[in-house]
Amino acid sequence: NAGVTQTPKFRVLKTGQSMTLLCAQDMNHEYMYWYRQDPGMGLRLIHYSVGEGTTAKGEVPDGYNVSRLKKQNFLLGLESAAPSQTSVYFCASSYSDLTSGETQYFGPGTRLLVL
Amino acid sequence: DAKTTQPNSMESNEEEPVHLPCNHSTISGTDYIHWYRQLPSQGPEYVIHGLTSNVNNRMASLAIAEDRKSSTLILHRATLRDAAVYYCILRAVNMNYGGATNKLIFGTGTLLAVQP
Repeated sequence: NAGVTQTPKFRVLKTGQSMTLLCAQDMNHEYMYWYRQDPGMGLRLIHYSVGEGTTAKGEVPDGYNVSRLKKQNFLLGLESAAPSQTSVYFCASSYSDLTSGETQYFGPGTRLLVL
Repeated sequence: DAKTTQPNSMESNEEEPVHLPCNHSTISGTDYIHWYRQLPSQGPEYVIHGLTSNVNNRMASLAIAEDRKSSTLILHRATLRDAAVYYCILRAVNMNYGGATNKLIFGTGTLLAVQP
C-alpha cells in the first residue's frame, strides 16, 4: 500500500513550457485534491475532484487544468508555465467529503522551478 | 470561511508536554477542528480532529473549549521528531458543481522547535 504518490519529485521548466504532474492513490478514495505551497505559507487549494470524471476549482485555479479520467489518478497540467508558478505542489486524497471529519492523505510533493 | 489564529512559533524541550493553541472565534456549529502537521520537506500528515468533546489518540490529545472558539493540541512528551509546522484547520463547506465538498483551509501554522 503506497498511499499517495506524486510524479515527478522535482522539475525545472522554462517560461512558456508545459508539463503535467501525476498523482496516484491506491486507497480507493473518491476525493482528490491539488494544493500549492509557497515559501513561508500554508497550502492553497488549486483544484479538486469529488469522483472519477469530475473536477472543480479551488482557491487559486488560474493557469492550471486538471483531469480525473481514472479514480486512482488526478493530473495537474500547466499549459504555459510562469515564474509565479514556482512552488511545491501537493496532492491529497480522502474517503469522503470530510462531513464526518474524515482526513486527507497527502503525497510527498513535487518541487517545480520555473525560470 | 472560518479562520484560525495560531502563534507563529513555539519552543519546547524534549520529553516535556507541549500545548499548541488555536483560536477560531468564527467557527460554525458543524465545523470539525482538524490538526495536521508538516515535517520538513514532507507533505502534511493528519494528527487529530474533533467536534465538541476532547479527543485522544496515539499521537496527541485535542482539548476543545466549551464555546468551541478555541482549541489546544497537546503533545504529551515532545520528541525531536515532533519538530514541525502544526496547522489548526476548520472545514469550509463548498457547494459548487452540483455537489458539496469540504475543503481544508490551511493558515501559516505554528512552527514548533524541540530542544534536546
